[in-house]
Amino acid sequence: QVQLVQSGAEVKKPGASVKVSCKVSGYTLTELSMHWVRQAPGKGLEWMGGFDPEDGETIYAQKFQGRVTMTEDTSTDTAYMELSSLRSEDTAVYYCATGMLRFLEWLSPHYGMDVWGQGTTVTVSS
Amino acid sequence: QSALTQPASVSGSPGQSITISCTGTSSDVGSYNLVSWYQQHPGKAPKLMIYEGSKRPSGVSNRFSGSKSGNTASLTISGLQAEDEADYYCCSYAGSLVFGGGTKLTVL
Repeated sequence: QVQLVQSGAEVKKPGASVKVSCKVSGYTLTELSMHWVRQAPGKGLEWMGGFDPEDGETIYAQKFQGRVTMTEDTSTDTAYMELSSLRSEDTAVYYCATGMLRFLEWLSPHYGMDVWGQGTTVTVSS
Repeated sequence: QSALTQPASVSGSPGQSITISCTGTSSDVGSYNLVSWYQQHPGKAPKLMIYEGSKRPSGVSNRFSGSKSGNTASLTISGLQAEDEADYYCCSYAGSLVFGGGTKLTVL
């Protein structure tokens, strides 16, 4: 069964960048499509972006365009999300998530995100 | 892409049924049968409860059901139990993904 294990909590100053990792076990990263979702304290879920298997490209939410970069290292089955120019409003728990396994095939997260990492708390404070 | 609209809170007594609505537009909920629903308990990661509008992942109780009419999707929970008390989020595909603002379910 697939597991997503994220890197530990981070504290950053405004203007800095943060890079969160998400290691896949049980399957290879190439079999999955990884997406990232964040949740500010006391707020709702916010989709940031992810890999679209239908066109083979990573798509980002308009809100984060130019500030977020999602990459993958298939040699270590690890996905990364880097957010730059951090501000206090970026303080949140960041989750990686992937789709669901149906009939031995992984569906895109567009259908639903069935497997989630444990979350990484990023605090932006001066 | 604007967030989908959900009621801030709903409540019900044990054994009752409740429905949470999720209103979008003809560009998201109305155009695709790709609405998913998530349950989130405090301090926990979200859990997928419904995918593709009305399908339940393995292991999710059949007390949970999803439907759609026009630009509005709905999650119905029947036979409410204390452990159903949580936040619930809808999510729709629209070329990208967009979440609803979330609904807090209180079991009285």
